[in-house]
Amino acid sequence: GAVVSQHPSRVICKSGTSVKIECRSLDFQATTMFWYRQFPKQSLMLMATSNEGSKATYEQGVEKDKFLINHASLTLSTLTVTSAHPEDSSFYICSAKEDTIYFGEGSWLTVV
Amino acid sequence: GEDVEQSLFLSVREGDSSVINCTYTDSSSTYLYWYKQEPGAGLQLLTYIFSNMDMKQDQRLTVLLNKKDKHLSLRIADTQTGDSAIYFCAEIETGGGNKLTFGTGTQLKVEL
Repeated sequence: GAVVSQHPSRVICKSGTSVKIECRSLDFQATTMFWYRQFPKQSLMLMATSNEGSKATYEQGVEKDKFLINHASLTLSTLTVTSAHPEDSSFYICSAKEDTIYFGEGSWLTVV
Repeated sequence: GEDVEQSLFLSVREGDSSVINCTYTDSSSTYLYWYKQEPGAGLQLLTYIFSNMDMKQDQRLTVLLNKKDKHLSLRIADTQTGDSAIYFCAEIETGGGNKLTFGTGTQLKVEL
């Protein structure tokens, strides 16, 4: 089946810095990708829809200036957490659709 | 918004069947999914069912859909310790492209 890959799988960054997470569709093209966030022992919440060649669509309550999304090619979307704060520590996971919806492996972000 | 509910915990003995239940509110959902998440890992697609189907079977997995009651279930036959994980049901939002709304997740514990 199709594969969606995320990188890095784990990252630790200092408060105030920015960190970028990549989401790649390895063997198919994805005009739309989705970014979710999962707090410990909770469900996944959609953050934004990443649209190739245009602006991302953010869900209510998600700060677009803090969570920058870029979808510059049909196989790559990036999520940049800017001015990271310990409250941003979470599991971030992306998805893309080919025949069905596939998820990346997820990225654990820890802000210290 | 749409609401997807699951019971939080399920404990079964190895070799027994597990039944994980899910209720949803969007009567016009087109696809419903079951994902498995092991500790510290991403999401693994287990199976999905189209809304015009009542049942789908795939090896040890059986999905039942009662569209009238908006109830979805996942039955795992001959449950093994390796099945211990969190199971999420999810539905496609009507008119939302390929955005998923996730249930709260059910933690399955398989005991010897």
